[in-house]
Amino acid sequence: QVQLLQSGAEVERPGASVKVSCKASAYTFIDYYIHWVRQAPGQGLEWMGWINPKSGDTKYAQRFQGRVTMTRDTSISTVYIDLSSLTSDDTAIYHCVRGVTVGGFGCFDLWGQGTLVTVSS
Amino acid sequence: DIQMTQSPSSLSASVGDRVTITCRASQSVSRYLNWYQQKSGEAPKLLIYAASSLQSGVPSRFSGSGSGPDFTLTISNLQPEDFATYYCQQSYSFPRTFGQGTKLDFK
Repeated sequence: QVQLLQSGAEVERPGASVKVSCKASAYTFIDYYIHWVRQAPGQGLEWMGWINPKSGDTKYAQRFQGRVTMTRDTSISTVYIDLSSLTSDDTAIYHCVRGVTVGGFGCFDLWGQGTLVTVSS
Repeated sequence: DIQMTQSPSSLSASVGDRVTITCRASQSVSRYLNWYQQKSGEAPKLLIYAASSLQSGVPSRFSGSGSGPDFTLTISNLQPEDFATYYCQQSYSFPRTFGQGTKLDFK
């Protein structure tokens, strides 16, 4: 079954870092970019950046520059997001998302189940 | 960044109704516009891409139209499983941005 399976919920202190994993199954891992999108409780969707699993190249949203790192391990078809200097504003569900291009138009066609990250003292 | 504005923010309707949700971009995004459905406690699901193309497996009662800055999502003959929150998203440029969402609930 084609899916993205994420790691479990995390609780972190303010100022700490968190690392969330996302394992791809049943498709060719290096053929599709992976994006990260987060959703604060009761709020909308916020794009954080992408990683090219083939090359490891990344692009981050400006507001997360310097605080986010996306990496991958092709041997286990897994991507990671590491977010540092956490504050309560980072409390959210973090989704990994597969990006596809159809006829030149990009969209997100496969979503991970989400990982709740709670930042609390 | 391109700002996406949806209206209305919430909408009440009944089974069998036809509803329309609009999305406006702060600048032209051509047809680089996608629609997603999110049910409570679930991840979003792609409904429409490239403004009007139906994603595989999505019922034909969902349709999208528009280009430039203005787009619509129409749901005909509402079914009970359609009550959810809907988001538009532009894929014209980075950063990718989403509308604030439209919550569709029972009248």
